[in-house]
Amino acid sequence: KNEVEQSPQNLTAQEGEFITINCSYSVGISALHWLQQHPGGGIVSLFMLSSGKKKHGRLIATINIQEKHSSLHITASHPRDSAVYICAVSPRMAGNKLTFGGGTRVLVKP
Amino acid sequence: NAGVTQTPKFRILKIGQSMTLQCTQDMNHNYMYWYRQDPGMGLKLIYYSVGAGITDKGEVPNGYNVSRSTTEDFPLRLELAAPSQTSVYFCASSRGNADTQYFGPGTRLTVL
Repeated sequence: KNEVEQSPQNLTAQEGEFITINCSYSVGISALHWLQQHPGGGIVSLFMLSSGKKKHGRLIATINIQEKHSSLHITASHPRDSAVYICAVSPRMAGNKLTFGGGTRVLVKP
Repeated sequence: NAGVTQTPKFRILKIGQSMTLQCTQDMNHNYMYWYRQDPGMGLKLIYYSVGAGITDKGEVPNGYNVSRSTTEDFPLRLELAAPSQTSVYFCASSRGNADTQYFGPGTRLTVL
């Protein structure tokens, strides 16, 4: 069983819909990261969080440390949000070595 | 700031050839990383460094070598290229332990 599990693996939405991606992990962590990889291949860090909730534009990330679970929400989705979203954790015992989830491929149709 | 830069963007190697993938960051970050991403798969850590002169193996180090003589540069060396090393290679850096990692644009390598 992978230490970081993401669901769903693939998601198709219509423009304007609310999107939720889930991430569950099994190890103690220092922080959780959400990354975005565009079709061109570049990887961008969206959020790093260790508690609570963070918001940036139409993106919201939440984490529940007790339940070892995080969600990434995209409000009012747009075709330019089409990308692979990757959850990664910094394990408490090896914080600088990220453990990655398998990614969620999101397609937003106009 | 340019952030993290990688060269080359693309490269085709023959089996047995060697090459160095270059990575430079201008953010004065202590931590640097090399990852590979195989088609349709997730990122895997090859090597990392926590500062100049210090390097350590990641999850998939076989077939690669690294050095960290300066804070800015973290080159990845492939000595005897094999088809299994066909992948996209990403370099990343972070200020400290468990901090946000900043990724370079990647190098797409094909070994034939």
